[in-house]
Amino acid sequence: EDKVVQSPLSLVVHEGDTVTLNCSYEVTNFRSLLWYKQEKKAPTFLFMLTSSGIEKKSGRLSSILDKKELFSILNITATQTGDSAIYLCANKENRDGLTFGKGTHLIIQP
Amino acid sequence: GAVVSQHPSRVICKSGTSVKIECRSLDFQATTMFWYRQFPKQSLMLMATSNEGSKATYEQGVEKDKFLINHASLTLSTLTVTSAHPEDSSFYICSARGRTGLAGRVETQYFGPGTRLLVL
Repeated sequence: EDKVVQSPLSLVVHEGDTVTLNCSYEVTNFRSLLWYKQEKKAPTFLFMLTSSGIEKKSGRLSSILDKKELFSILNITATQTGDSAIYLCANKENRDGLTFGKGTHLIIQP
Repeated sequence: GAVVSQHPSRVICKSGTSVKIECRSLDFQATTMFWYRQFPKQSLMLMATSNEGSKATYEQGVEKDKFLINHASLTLSTLTVTSAHPEDSSFYICSARGRTGLAGRVETQYFGPGTRLLVL
């Protein structure tokens, strides 16, 4: 059974739409939840979330964590074609382990 | 389901020794494997891409003689850090890309859990 589950697995929207990507996780010893954007060479780090209810924001992207319900969402507003990518979330349970989800493949159509 | 494992999860070694990290794809055949190094502030750097049966392609700035990659089978790739030094201490992550699902229709990339290397 997957420890980190992302949904949807793929999503196609039009430019300008707002999207919400979901990530749920199991926890043994939770330290942080990470979001990455993967386009070409390597996943690009977006956010690290450690505290519940505190929104992190970077431009049109924002993310929040709910440690009680064990999930996080990544929001992208006013989407652009350059937002097309695979978005990965990863659960960092301890210093030496990262568990990635399968990713959400987001396609933004012009 | 498709999973990627790494072994060991953590290794401590003395400066000058070599360390081998294994990356295995479970339940699917990985035609391509990627090795990443994680830097402070969670960023990941692609080190090399390896295709089964052929030489790895290294990214600019990555010494191929220092970071030896072998992708001998469709389920196993190894990264050997030769003559390790303290500055090689890092978190190394592999990922495997292959076809899964019904009749292998879906090509997906899966990440391993990472290996923490500490060189004393």
